[in-house]
Amino acid sequence: SQQGEEDPQALSIQEGENATMNCSYKTSINNLQWYRQNSGRGLVHLILIRSNEREKHSGRLRVTLDTSKKSSSLLITASRAADTASYFCATDAWETSGSRLTFGEGTQLTVNP
Amino acid sequence: EPEVTQTPSHQVTQMGQEVILRCVPISNHLYFYWYRQILGQKVEFLVSFYNNEISEKSEIFDDQFSVERPDGSNFTLKIRSTKLEDSAMYFCASSRLADFDEQFFGPGTRLTVL
Repeated sequence: SQQGEEDPQALSIQEGENATMNCSYKTSINNLQWYRQNSGRGLVHLILIRSNEREKHSGRLRVTLDTSKKSSSLLITASRAADTASYFCATDAWETSGSRLTFGEGTQLTVNP
Repeated sequence: EPEVTQTPSHQVTQMGQEVILRCVPISNHLYFYWYRQILGQKVEFLVSFYNNEISEKSEIFDDQFSVERPDGSNFTLKIRSTKLEDSAMYFCASSRLADFDEQFFGPGTRLTVL
C-alpha cells in the first residue's frame, strides 16, 4: 500500500533559520497535502498541491512537488518558536475513490528561540 | 473562519462498552471522514462518507464501527464494543469536494479504553 514518508524524522533549528522537510510516496496521486500537529492536538491544514502543480507558496511556506521522483518538500522560511510542531504529508491516491488520505510518519520540528 | 468541531475532547470507557464520538463538519462541506491516530503512530484512514452512505472504508473499519449523519449537522462514529486497542485519538474531517480538495480536521477526541 502507498505510504508517505517524511525525512528527516526530527529537525532542530534556531529561530530565523529555514526548515526543509521532505516527503516521499509510492503511487500516483491526485494531490498532496501538508499538515501541522502541535503535541497532542488536532491537525492543521497548511497547503494542498495538485499533481499537475510543481510549486506553491502560502505566506512563509513553500511546497514543491516532483511527481517523477514521487517526492515533495515543505520549506518554512524565517522560522519562529511557534512553528515547533510535527509536520505530516498526506497523499490522495489516484486509484482510490472517496479521497482517503495516507499520512506519513511526520517530521518533528523544534525551533529554538 | 469555519472549523470542524468534535465532542467530547476526551472519553474514557470500559472495554466492551459502546461509545459514540460526535463531529460537526464545516457547514457547506459534503464529504466527511474519520481517521484515528494511536499514540506515537501515523494517522490512519477509517472511513469516508458522502450523500448518506459510506464511500470507502479501510480494513480497520470492521463491523464494530459504524457512522451516521443523524441530522443536517452532526456526523457520528460509533464503536459497538470497545477493545483496549481502540484507544487512540479520533479525528473527524470534512471537505467540500472529494478529489483535489483540502480536508479540514477537527481537534480530535482522545478515546481511552480501560
